[in-house]
Amino acid sequence: EDQVTQSPEALRLQEGESSSLNCSYTVSGLRGLFWYRQDPGKGPEFLFTLYSAGEEKEKERLKATLTKKESFLHITAPKPEDSATYLCAVGAGGTSYGKLTFGQGTILTVHP
Amino acid sequence: DGGITQSPKYLFRKEGQNVTLSCEQNLNHDAMYWYRQDPGQGLRLIYYSQIVNDFQKGDIAEGYSVSREKKESFPLTVTSAQKNPTAFYLCASSDSRGNNEKLFFGSGTQLSVL
Repeated sequence: EDQVTQSPEALRLQEGESSSLNCSYTVSGLRGLFWYRQDPGKGPEFLFTLYSAGEEKEKERLKATLTKKESFLHITAPKPEDSATYLCAVGAGGTSYGKLTFGQGTILTVHP
Repeated sequence: DGGITQSPKYLFRKEGQNVTLSCEQNLNHDAMYWYRQDPGQGLRLIYYSQIVNDFQKGDIAEGYSVSREKKESFPLTVTSAQKNPTAFYLCASSDSRGNNEKLFFGSGTQLSVL
């Protein structure tokens, strides 16, 4: 059974204080790892897809990296508007195409 | 603008009542999905459909039903058999062409029990 675990459950940062969110996964044959951002009361918004170990992608203050067992979402000099829940999900060979397994999310709060 | 529209934003269900959540997309995507989100838990898949007139059960399908009569529409019915329906429901779609499993989500429906 595919498993995705995100840590920490919640993270509080001061504006400008860089940090990382972790997504650990156990799957049979990774097809892709996805990061989403979700604001309260809204649907998740796509951030990145990573396909193979060593791959990195960046968008503004966010950088996602991937190893064979985990992914990190690095947040550099965060701003209050980066406050949201960040979700990690995987598509794996043991499941039907398009059927993703999600982690429980990390709630990020950035204080001014 | 292309996207996914879910309605209503808020829905209240009385005991013993069936309710239907609407999901419409104009992205021309073949695949559509329904997820349930509970506080502190990951999104859990209820049903998914990869083509019109076909759909499959996800991990938590009991107490729910769906139909896929049109490419654009994938309504979800929460039946009276679902004993704990209070949750945030998310509809999503994906372009199944190529190796693209990226999901596009709607804005969600919050269902509560009266």
